[in-house]
Amino acid sequence: QLQLQESGPGLVKPSETLSLTCTVSGGSISSSSFYWGWIRQPPGKGLEWIGTIYYSGSTYYNPSLKSRVIISLDTSKNQFSLKLSSVTAADTAVYFCARQDVRGWGNFDSWGQGTLVTVSS
Amino acid sequence: DIVMTQTPLSLSVTPGQPASISCKSSQSLLHSDGKTHLFWYLQKPGQPPQLLIYEVSKRLSGVPDRFSGSGSGTDFTLKISRVEAEDVGVYYCMQSIQLPFTFGPGTKVDIK
Repeated sequence: QLQLQESGPGLVKPSETLSLTCTVSGGSISSSSFYWGWIRQPPGKGLEWIGTIYYSGSTYYNPSLKSRVIISLDTSKNQFSLKLSSVTAADTAVYFCARQDVRGWGNFDSWGQGTLVTVSS
Repeated sequence: DIVMTQTPLSLSVTPGQPASISCKSSQSLLHSDGKTHLFWYLQKPGQPPQLLIYEVSKRLSGVPDRFSGSGSGTDFTLKISRVEAEDVGVYYCMQSIQLPFTFGPGTKVDIK
């Protein structure tokens, strides 16, 4: 059974870089059948897609965040990661990682539980 | 960006009664591949979202058949034929025809 687990600091200072890792178990991130994505949700608000990566390393980012986001893969650890630079309080959110089906990449069919990241000094 | 709107934003339903949520997109979600890139997600309290329906009307395996999706172009509907207590949460529609993927604001469903 596929499981995704986000990990990383729960508190980040303004202007610093938020770094999160998603560890995938029960499946391989090197599979050509799936993409891997990050989505966030500010407290009490809706969902915002951050970006997606394919096993080949191809990346797709939300233009609203593109200048600050890097998503990468570590196939040796079966993990993918998110880095968001120059954070502000507006980046405070629950960050989810998720799997996307290559047959229809809107199919976020498995999600991690999410991790709350607070941006505060 | 494609803007997704949903109505109503909240819904209180008696168990066993039907419920309906409307979703509209600012552009057609019909792709040249013949698929319509509209999805429905349910986020139960304290949980991550879960995919219910993809490509307008296809239920993910394991999703009860009381959930159904319909629509075309820019207008879509999610219907629950008989609401159960476990259906409470926030329902989001989402489009994937164009990057960035965008979600509707969500419809909060609770039980009367």
